[in-house]
Amino acid sequence: GAVVSQHPSWVICKSGTSVKIECRSLDFQATTMFWYRQFPKQSLMLMATSNEGSKATYEQGVEKDKFLINHASLTLSTLTVTSAHPEDSSFYICSARVVYSGPSRYNEQFFGPGTRLTVL
Amino acid sequence: KNQVEQSPQSLIILEGKNCTLQCNYTVSPFSNLRWYKQDTGRGPVSLTIMTFSENTKSNGRYTATLDADTKQSSLHITASQLSDSASYICVVSLNNAGNMLTFGGGTRLMVKP
Repeated sequence: GAVVSQHPSWVICKSGTSVKIECRSLDFQATTMFWYRQFPKQSLMLMATSNEGSKATYEQGVEKDKFLINHASLTLSTLTVTSAHPEDSSFYICSARVVYSGPSRYNEQFFGPGTRLTVL
Repeated sequence: KNQVEQSPQSLIILEGKNCTLQCNYTVSPFSNLRWYKQDTGRGPVSLTIMTFSENTKSNGRYTATLDADTKQSSLHITASQLSDSASYICVVSLNNAGNMLTFGGGTRLMVKP
């Protein structure tokens, strides 16, 4: 399957600072990437859909000014958590959508390994 | 409301034993159903994907079934190994575009020696 990487894999920062997380599709181009957040013992929750060359679409309840998303190329999307606070501590996972050409039955999302953010 | 319910929430089995995880969904429209394995501190990895016309699909020791009439799916793990310890997530897609996924809460499986 397609490979998606994230960097960093973990980060610890002080309250009030900003943190940038990168999501890369390594062996394919992705016009659409997704950002999820996962709290302990809970399932993934979609935060936003990142579209290459256009503004991201945020889910209800997600502050777009706090979670800045940039999808400047077909292989890279970044999530910046601005003025991070302890309640932003979570596991952030990105995914990239593979669009199959031809008479495909469905498209597929491949997930990155996740980034553990801890805000002190 | 579109929902995906998984059971049990957690499960402990002995190495070598089989187990079956359940997934019930009320998602509509329905395009396909996926099972993912998520190791602790890692992103989900796809195990199987089934459309409404597929009843079963296997991936090694993992076999998924789907009953689109009753809106139920199961994931059967055969001859469990310690490395099978993980969370297993059932995900239903509303469309073929792959951009509308509804996630289940997952089943946390622990395989003990």
